[in-house]
Amino acid sequence: NAGVTQTPKFQVLKTGQSMTLQCAQDMNHEYMSWYRQDPGMGLRLIHYSVGAGITDQGEVPNGYNVSRSTTEDFPLRLLSAAPSQTSVYFCASTSRPPGAGRSYEQYFGPGTRLTVT
Amino acid sequence: GDSVTQMEGPVTLSEEAFLTINCTYTATGYPSLFWYVQYPGEGLQLLLKATKADDKGSNKGFEATYRKETTSFHLEKGSVQVSDSAVYFCALSFFQGGSEKLVFGKGTKLTVNP
Repeated sequence: NAGVTQTPKFQVLKTGQSMTLQCAQDMNHEYMSWYRQDPGMGLRLIHYSVGAGITDQGEVPNGYNVSRSTTEDFPLRLLSAAPSQTSVYFCASTSRPPGAGRSYEQYFGPGTRLTVT
Repeated sequence: GDSVTQMEGPVTLSEEAFLTINCTYTATGYPSLFWYVQYPGEGLQLLLKATKADDKGSNKGFEATYRKETTSFHLEKGSVQVSDSAVYFCALSFFQGGSEKLVFGKGTKLTVNP
């Protein structure tokens, strides 16, 4: 299994450009999420999905769109890049916790380092 | 809302020193608690977890005990190695709107010198 893969690893955009960060997992996980990591801020949840066709907003969703047409893929779209979106982006996935179980582990991709100038 | 607070660091230690990274949490219910580790240039990996009060999570010589009375989940290791140099994140999970959410602390950077 490749686990969670992300492309590209690095990207430089100009303000106003759009792009899509790709995320894929081969573990048949239902739950996928996108985080951004900024110095001194830890990880903040952008969007998440509990299954194909179902997405919801996290803590910092503005400026980002997501869709989930398949179980495997969960792309993150920046509609009009801004310098404030310079960050490292991590995609993560997990199997949906059964019932009230709370001991799931999230599997993280290697990250995409995005710079917006 | 639910949150975690961890010591910000950075923490610099010599090899074989004792490590403690403090983590406290605020939660309305009964969260699960986690420590994740991020090695340079990599994504986060689960280091250990505890799902209920008094549980002790352990892995690779690291330990943390879920203390409900002090709302804490401090990470400890008796003798650190250079290879332990990484950023450590405390996290908790809780249910909201029918799905489980994960909240991370800001991370603590550990550097271990030979």
